[in-house]
Amino acid sequence: SAVISQKPSRDICQRGTSLTIQCQVDSQVTMMFWYRQQPGQSLTLIATANQGSEATYESGFVIDKFPISRPNLTFSTLTVSNMSPEDSSIYLCSVEGQINYGYTFGSGTRLTVV
Amino acid sequence: GENVEQHPSTLSVQEGDSAVIKCTYSDSASNYFPWYKQELGKRPQLIIDIRSNVGEKKDQRIAVTLNKTAKHFSLHITETQPEDSAVYFCAASGTTSGTYKYIFGTGTRLKVLA
Repeated sequence: SAVISQKPSRDICQRGTSLTIQCQVDSQVTMMFWYRQQPGQSLTLIATANQGSEATYESGFVIDKFPISRPNLTFSTLTVSNMSPEDSSIYLCSVEGQINYGYTFGSGTRLTVV
Repeated sequence: GENVEQHPSTLSVQEGDSAVIKCTYSDSASNYFPWYKQELGKRPQLIIDIRSNVGEKKDQRIAVTLNKTAKHFSLHITETQPEDSAVYFCAASGTTSGTYKYIFGTGTRLKVLA
């Protein structure tokens, strides 16, 4: 399965600021996915990032709040903009697996907004 | 859109006993059903999966069953051990939207009592 390097692993940010999370994959993948996991909760899909096109956002998530870049087949960024304490969560990237294998997740970014 | 329900939310079993976690999905076009294990502070890890053309799959102490008609699938862990203690997530995925995005269940916190 693919190996994903996600950073930062954690950060504490002031409200109103923005944080950019990076994911680097060790192989080329068509689709990358960004998830949010609030404390003690399940994983909620934010958006799907395809190389060469705009990300597709799920209901309740908008590009102005969570802009995504996908400049090539091994890298993506998610920015959490104009943060508020409600944005405190774990953010995870994931990539489609090889044929007949499920997603692999990055190690996650634990964000605390104060 | 797709919805995945998962039960129970918490489950405590004695070491050596079996544990069963159940999920139902809403989208009849879903055709891939992975299960993830998430230990505290770590990323979700794929433990087993099943495709819609198969009714059951087993890997050592873990098995998954699928009932397409009822849109149910279940995770079975036999001879549970303390290291099985974690949160387990089911997910459903299909290609109706053209992407392989996963919709996750709400999670089951499994505690194996020594």
